[in-house]
Amino acid sequence: QSALTQPPSASGSPGQSVTISCTGTSSDVGAYNYVSWYQQHPGKAPKLMIYEVSRRPSGVPDRFSGSKSGNTASLTVSGLQTEDEADYYCSSHAGSNNAFVFGTGTKVAVL
Amino acid sequence: QVQLQQWGAGLLKPSETLSLTCAVYGGSFTNYFCNWIRQPPGKGLEWIGEINHSGNTNYNPSLKSRVTMSVDTSKNQFSLKVSSVTAADTAIYYCATSDGWYRIDPWGQGTLVIVSS
Repeated sequence: QSALTQPPSASGSPGQSVTISCTGTSSDVGAYNYVSWYQQHPGKAPKLMIYEVSRRPSGVPDRFSGSKSGNTASLTVSGLQTEDEADYYCSSHAGSNNAFVFGTGTKVAVL
Repeated sequence: QVQLQQWGAGLLKPSETLSLTCAVYGGSFTNYFCNWIRQPPGKGLEWIGEINHSGNTNYNPSLKSRVTMSVDTSKNQFSLKVSSVTAADTAIYYCATSDGWYRIDPWGQGTLVIVSS
């Protein structure tokens, strides 16, 4: 099972929006609506930001939104804030033998 | 609110067995899958496997031959063993719970395991 493909980096100015893509296959992202997104600050454990493609856990700002089309999922961060600067990872369910496959990760910089 | 606390040896020699344990506080084991995920320094996340309260396991095929997970429901703890470690197994290892919506949340604090001769 190969890792999902994300761009290595993305950036935006405070207040702007940034969108990160996550490309898989018809066996993972394209097959299930179980795509999640995680935010990871340096030295910290990942934090769940989006699950089931577009649902936000309690406490996650509505600046964070998710979507999916075919084999590609996307995370959009609107109204960028300095604290949004972090690494972001997508994950997808990949069938009975592979509960989770992660993306390669994207470093978001707030310029 | 569920919280996870993990511990285990942080420095191993090649060919030794990695052993980590994770305790679950504030929740019932029966509602979750317990996962192990690792992250080599400066690199991305890799799912190692999962176990439920009944001891049913599901491992990443790339690691399956060396991984063993177990659960102790009386202590609300689950464990990971990885045999015959090499330098490629050097990573931060996280425990985490997941549910039927494949949400991984919460995560443990992470344990850095270094394999070096």
